[in-house]
Amino acid sequence: AQSVTQPDIHITVSEGASLELRCNYSYGATPYLFWYVQSPGQGLQLLLKYFSGDTLVQGIKGFEAEFKRSQSSFNLRKPSVHWSDAAEYFCAVGPIQGAQKLVFGQGTRLTINP
Amino acid sequence: NAGVTQTPKFQVLKTGQSMTLQCAQDMNHNSMYWYRQDPGMGLRLIYYSASEGTTDKGEVPNGYNVSRLNKREFSLRLESAAPSQTSVYFCASRKQGASAEAFFGQGTRLTVV
Repeated sequence: AQSVTQPDIHITVSEGASLELRCNYSYGATPYLFWYVQSPGQGLQLLLKYFSGDTLVQGIKGFEAEFKRSQSSFNLRKPSVHWSDAAEYFCAVGPIQGAQKLVFGQGTRLTINP
Repeated sequence: NAGVTQTPKFQVLKTGQSMTLQCAQDMNHNSMYWYRQDPGMGLRLIYYSASEGTTDKGEVPNGYNVSRLNKREFSLRLESAAPSQTSVYFCASRKQGASAEAFFGQGTRLTVV
């Protein structure tokens, strides 16, 4: 069955440090991959998406992600984090089985130390 | 442009009570979704509607029913609430197309006591 795994439940980094959040997927065909961010008490906002072409995609707020088919991964990166990046991050894959479903990972909660 | 609007934002129910969560989108999207979010579980799909007039089960449909009232509205009903349904519920919508992004509402925090 198709699935998305985010191995890290909680990550803490210092402000100004680099960040990498991991996402691994299991999917038989070419996946459509998404990263969303959820600030406390809010809904989810799209950071970036990949569906074809250049495997390095740029998103909003200075984030980027790289699709690696050989590793079934779509890791999210940021060179220098800001305190406002503290949030929960979700990786998602779709469509699933020809339907319009999006399947989400478990999420990674990011804490920023000053 | 309101996007996706969910009502209510907060609700407390007693075990066995029923309620309907409302969701409306004004983006003319075809597909709509209901997810629940629980700590450590991410977002799990309850039901979705790929287009007006169709609904399908997601990962965790038991205890829920849905109605796609028209293209704009997609409601989620709990017929007999249970404590296990305490969660944050999100509605989302997407236009047609596999690469389309989903737009989310602000969520409904439901507590069943």
